[in-house]
Amino acid sequence: DAKTTQPTSMDCAEGRAANLPCNHSTISGNEYVYWYRQIHSQGPQYIIHGLKNNETNEMASLIITEDRKSSTLILPHATLRDTAVYYCIVRAIKAAGNKLTFGGGTRVLVKP
Amino acid sequence: DAGVTQSPTHLIKTRGQQVTLRCSPKSGHDTVSWYQQALGQGPQFIFQYYEEEERQRGNFPDRFSGHQFPNYSSELNVNALLLGDSALYLCASSLGQVNQPQHFGDGTRLSIL
Repeated sequence: DAKTTQPTSMDCAEGRAANLPCNHSTISGNEYVYWYRQIHSQGPQYIIHGLKNNETNEMASLIITEDRKSSTLILPHATLRDTAVYYCIVRAIKAAGNKLTFGGGTRVLVKP
Repeated sequence: DAGVTQSPTHLIKTRGQQVTLRCSPKSGHDTVSWYQQALGQGPQFIFQYYEEEERQRGNFPDRFSGHQFPNYSSELNVNALLLGDSALYLCASSLGQVNQPQHFGDGTRLSIL
């Protein structure tokens, strides 16, 4: 699986959009981009994933560049409960249930 | 609809002992993966079970073993515990299909004294 690079930490203002970048320059054509987050003392929570088109769900939006070498997770209106470590993961499309390879993630602090 | 459940939530053991952790997958899921998360680090893949067999394994010694039951629940066993085995152990379940996200439980916090 391709490696990802994320900023170590970032602060966001409550009520504003939070834009979390991720670089995955070695991504191959059969690899998806997944985002998870982990709130303190809880297990990782699935947020969203995509292949090449932009995706949106009730939690966030995922913007993938045309060359697929980077992506941005957007939390449209950050709340204090969005404070967490956010992981960007590249995962191959293989036989069922391929493993997730976590990096260090981005520690996001939402401030009032 | 219950999500992934793990037991126990906390456990304290001493060096050399053996431990068994348990996981019940989300309803409808048939694949279970186990991860180890040391303090301040991201989760590290241990192994994955599908159809009661180990299908993938990460870089962990044979002291780590597992089992999946016909009802898709799973156990993680660790023998000859070391101080370095202290960590949060996470279970994730998914459907046995490509491109299906894994859903995690809140883990078992294992402390080795």
